[in-house]
Amino acid sequence: KQEVTQIPAALSVPEGENLVLNCSFTDSAIYNLQWFRQDPGKGLTSLLLIQSSQREQTSGRLNASLDKSSGRSTLYIAASQPGDSATYLCAGPQGGSEKLVFGKGTKLTVNP
Amino acid sequence: NAGVTQTPKFQVLKTGQSMTLQCAQDMNHEYMSWYRQDPGMGLRLIHYSVGAGITDQGEVPNGYNVSRSTTEDFPLRLLSAAPSQTSVYFCASSYSGTAEKLFFGSGTQLSVL
Repeated sequence: KQEVTQIPAALSVPEGENLVLNCSFTDSAIYNLQWFRQDPGKGLTSLLLIQSSQREQTSGRLNASLDKSSGRSTLYIAASQPGDSATYLCAGPQGGSEKLVFGKGTKLTVNP
Repeated sequence: NAGVTQTPKFQVLKTGQSMTLQCAQDMNHEYMSWYRQDPGMGLRLIHYSVGAGITDQGEVPNGYNVSRSTTEDFPLRLLSAAPSQTSVYFCASSYSGTAEKLFFGSGTQLSVL
């Protein structure tokens, strides 16, 4: 059974800092991993989807990597801004199914 | 395009009442799914569908029914609401499945008294 873990549960950084959010998963047969952002009281927004063949995906100041052998994915945020404050969640499929398993998220606060 | 639309946004039920949470998407997505989000538990999959006429159970299906008669709509039915079903419910869709970008609705806050 796929289990997805995100540590830490919360992170507070000063504006301008580069930071890394971590996501670990137990099923190394994972074929993709997706990172989401959730603002308070809102739905989730997909940020990046990495296929297992890609290892990395970039969008603006965001860069996500996927290492199946170590069971880890990271989301790198460059030059953080207060507007980046949100909860970031990662999710991967369970086995060969169409069931997506989510981590519990990392709540990021970027202080001005 | 409206994307994924959920109604209602808020709902209060009494124990034992039934109701249907509506979800509609206008992106011609084959894959649709329902999640509940609870503090400390994260997002958990209730039911999902890979196309019209096809549904399957997720991690926490008990107490919920779904059907998919059209590509656009995927309603979630609570047959006899219980306080344990107090949660925020999200509907999400993608073009073909978990290998594609997932689009979420804005959620329904449900309280069962």
